[in-house]
Amino acid sequence: SQQGEEDPQALSIQEGENATMNCSYKTSINNLQWYRQNSGRGLVHLILIRSNEREKHSGRLRVTLDTSKKSSSLLITASRAADTASYFCATDASGNQFYFGTGTSLTVIP
Amino acid sequence: DAGITQSPRHKVTETGTPVTLRCHQTENHRYMYWYRQDPGHGLRLIHYSYGVKDTDKGEVSDGYSVSRSKTEDFLLTLESATSSQTSVYFCAAGSRLAGGSGELFFGEGSRLTVL
Repeated sequence: SQQGEEDPQALSIQEGENATMNCSYKTSINNLQWYRQNSGRGLVHLILIRSNEREKHSGRLRVTLDTSKKSSSLLITASRAADTASYFCATDASGNQFYFGTGTSLTVIP
Repeated sequence: DAGITQSPRHKVTETGTPVTLRCHQTENHRYMYWYRQDPGHGLRLIHYSYGVKDTDKGEVSDGYSVSRSKTEDFLLTLESATSSQTSVYFCAAGSRLAGGSGELFFGEGSRLTVL
């Protein structure tokens, strides 16, 4: 499989805490993206980081990329109950094929 | 959703019957994708299209075919549905940006149950 793997599979935190989830992938990439999925809904794009970037910020999101380790992390700061969702990383290793990881289920307790 | 519509949203069918899922987009994206989502497997790419009449296989293409006769429509067909194809199917579309691929826009999913 060309899928990545997110870690942990599930994460439960208190509102206001930071949430960190990790993604590992298998092949060289052009870029890596993070998506969010609310229960029963489609995925929504959060942030894209290119292979020549090491860190990127967007609002309360911080993404890092380590291509030597084939890994990325997504940090959500000051979490809110509305952040409860599943989070997926996606890579485009070849052409325009996007491969998704297995996801991290985040629960933020009010 | 950015103009991605999937139909039907829910379908129950019997083993051996043909099923077609439709994805319609209004944003003129060049690339379109079909994924299936199953517990423990995340999203897996079935087929994708990089233009009208241009399609290619993904990692779980066996038992599925696709067609794209117009930019806006991407059809996924199960010629003879099996219980292992019970899943939630997502369509996505996107455009290539300078320097690489851009974000994908997803539909709301089609839940298929094969009895």
